[in-house]
Amino acid sequence: GAGVSQSPSNKVTEKGKDVELRCDPISGHTALYWYRQSLGQGLEFLIYFQGNSAPDKSGLPSDRFSAERTGGSVSTLTIQRTQQEDSAVYLCASSPGLAGTFYEQYFGPGTRLTVT
Amino acid sequence: AQSVTQLDSHVSVSEGTPVLLRCNYSSSYSPSLFWYVQHPNKGLQLLLKYTSAATLVKGINGFEAEFKKSETSFHLTKPSAHMSDAAEYFCVVSDKLGRDDKIIFGKGTRLHILP
Repeated sequence: GAGVSQSPSNKVTEKGKDVELRCDPISGHTALYWYRQSLGQGLEFLIYFQGNSAPDKSGLPSDRFSAERTGGSVSTLTIQRTQQEDSAVYLCASSPGLAGTFYEQYFGPGTRLTVT
Repeated sequence: AQSVTQLDSHVSVSEGTPVLLRCNYSSSYSPSLFWYVQHPNKGLQLLLKYTSAATLVKGINGFEAEFKKSETSFHLTKPSAHMSDAAEYFCVVSDKLGRDDKIIFGKGTRLHILP
């Protein structure tokens, strides 16, 4: 079956512009995560969706970042008024159930965002 | 509070020699622990996971890890390194706090394989 897909694979944008990053999780997976990976850094948790529960937004670095998940499936991460420090690889992962505790996460290939 | 520490940011070993990537964690409850691998320009892939069953866990590509509660460690090992093992490795701890699942990634260890 298909894995987690993300689009676009690469995005170059000018400082101050808004960007939208898309994640298509594995069908049937109820949990979806967004992470950010900067050069030489580990994964920074951004936001987590689990079923119909309110998302855990505790990792979002500023109010310029937001995410939504429509119909419990596709998710979009939006960054408004991009800054150069937003340049990173944005990774999406999905999980079949109570994410993490017993189930592993399945990662997409990421979107490389470059803010010029 | 949960945390995970990967003690080495870089490890270099010669091909055919053993690999040891160290991970220590702290957790308030009974954690699940994972190792993920990220090859250059590839997505993260699960290597193995511990979820309170056997303390010695075998994963893909000949890797294994041992959960040692007394030492709060979950080190990743492989008896004989192969060139294809060159990648970044992440140790992950997961706990359930209330109704929420908390997942913490370590900062990663880059494994270099010398010919």
